[in-house]
Amino acid sequence: GNSVTQMEGPVTLSEEAFLTINCTYTATGYPSLFWYVQYPGEGLQLLLKATKADDKGSNKGFEATYRKETTSFHLEKGSVQVSDSAVYFCALSESPVMRFGAGTRLTVKP
Amino acid sequence: DTGVSQDPRHKITKRGQNVTFRCDPISEHNRLYWYRQTLGQGPEFLTYFQNEAQLEKSRLLSDRFSAERPKGSFSTLEIQRTEQGDSAMYLCASSLMSYEQYFGPGTRLTVT
Repeated sequence: GNSVTQMEGPVTLSEEAFLTINCTYTATGYPSLFWYVQYPGEGLQLLLKATKADDKGSNKGFEATYRKETTSFHLEKGSVQVSDSAVYFCALSESPVMRFGAGTRLTVKP
Repeated sequence: DTGVSQDPRHKITKRGQNVTFRCDPISEHNRLYWYRQTLGQGPEFLTYFQNEAQLEKSRLLSDRFSAERPKGSFSTLEIQRTEQGDSAMYLCASSLMSYEQYFGPGTRLTVT
């Protein structure tokens, strides 16, 4: 079946460092891909999405490109802030169900 | 605030008791989903509704779990005879057809 694999955390970075969180997927067909973020004590918030190969989703300085050839959707940000500390989930849509990775906890230190 | 809301946010119950959670979706969304999230894991699908019809249930949804969405608006998730293994965050999400899902803040259940 379809699945999502994320790099294991936790990830700890200094403020203004470059961030990459790896995500690869296994799917039949071409699902839509998503990144969600979960701040402490809150639900998941949609961060960005891409619906077809070579699409780039972007939001709040984060971006990810749908790579069909490597079945990947890595999350990147050029300069992280303390406020980016959260858990990040990669997900794919096999409508109507969303299938999530295990999450990667990011801590950004001042 | 017109986002997805869930009530209660936290629930502590003793093993064997019944609990019920409520979810109010974004008003124009016709699909409503329930997920369960355990510590250190991503959400896992439980069930979903399109309007008032429950269209799919995961094998994770044992016969102690029941969900309803009367009139296609809010939804309730009931767990009967709770077990310690039911301790988790229960997340509700809604969407307009197959577009992206918007999540509520969740209900954290602790079974003692």
